[in-house]
Amino acid sequence: GQNIDQPTEMTATEGAIVQINCTYQTSGFNGLFWYQQHAGEAPTFLSYNVLDGLEEKGRFSSFLSRSKGYSYLLLKELQMKDSASYLCAVREMKPGGYNKLIFGAGTRLAVHP
Amino acid sequence: DSGVTQTPKHLITATGQRVTLRCSPRSGDLSVYWYQQSLDQGLQFLIHYYNGEERAKGNILERFSAQQFPDLHSELNLSSLELGDSALYFCASSVARGVLNTDTQYFGPGTRLTVL
Repeated sequence: GQNIDQPTEMTATEGAIVQINCTYQTSGFNGLFWYQQHAGEAPTFLSYNVLDGLEEKGRFSSFLSRSKGYSYLLLKELQMKDSASYLCAVREMKPGGYNKLIFGAGTRLAVHP
Repeated sequence: DSGVTQTPKHLITATGQRVTLRCSPRSGDLSVYWYQQSLDQGLQFLIHYYNGEERAKGNILERFSAQQFPDLHSELNLSSLELGDSALYFCASSVARGVLNTDTQYFGPGTRLTVL
């Protein structure tokens, strides 16, 4: 089966750094995605990890440890516009080779001045 | 702008009615996925079509159905609507048919369905 856990809510201060954690349990891990979703809008793709380590993209970085079933999204130099939900999604390989994408419930981040 | 389009943006209807939501994938993408997002809930996968054929089903109710046409646009049909069907419905598209681990899904702006 599939289980993805991430904190429900977080708050942070403008200009600071915040780390959003995601833990997962899966029988056929085949990659992990992070998406950003502003309220009422479409999720937008942020990052993808399939191997252990850190992937950096500007102010956003994502880390993966497959042995620990753990990922985090690191947001630096926080801006007010970063207030949004951050969705962790795990790709799980099913019998027959099909990859199914399962989303966590999301972490709602509020950035304050 | 992801390049995925969805219409209509908003839809208000009554219980028992039937509606059709439409999605056009990004140019070059052959896969279309449908998701439901209820208030304060995560994205729930409904169904996946690749190049006109159904590839996978998630938690899709029997009252719901979908299809993908030769021009690759997709429609999600919701019938015998209930109050609990009120939600945001997103479609996403990707290049491949679901076996590549690098395949990324790009989401459309969604259709907000309100059932009164």
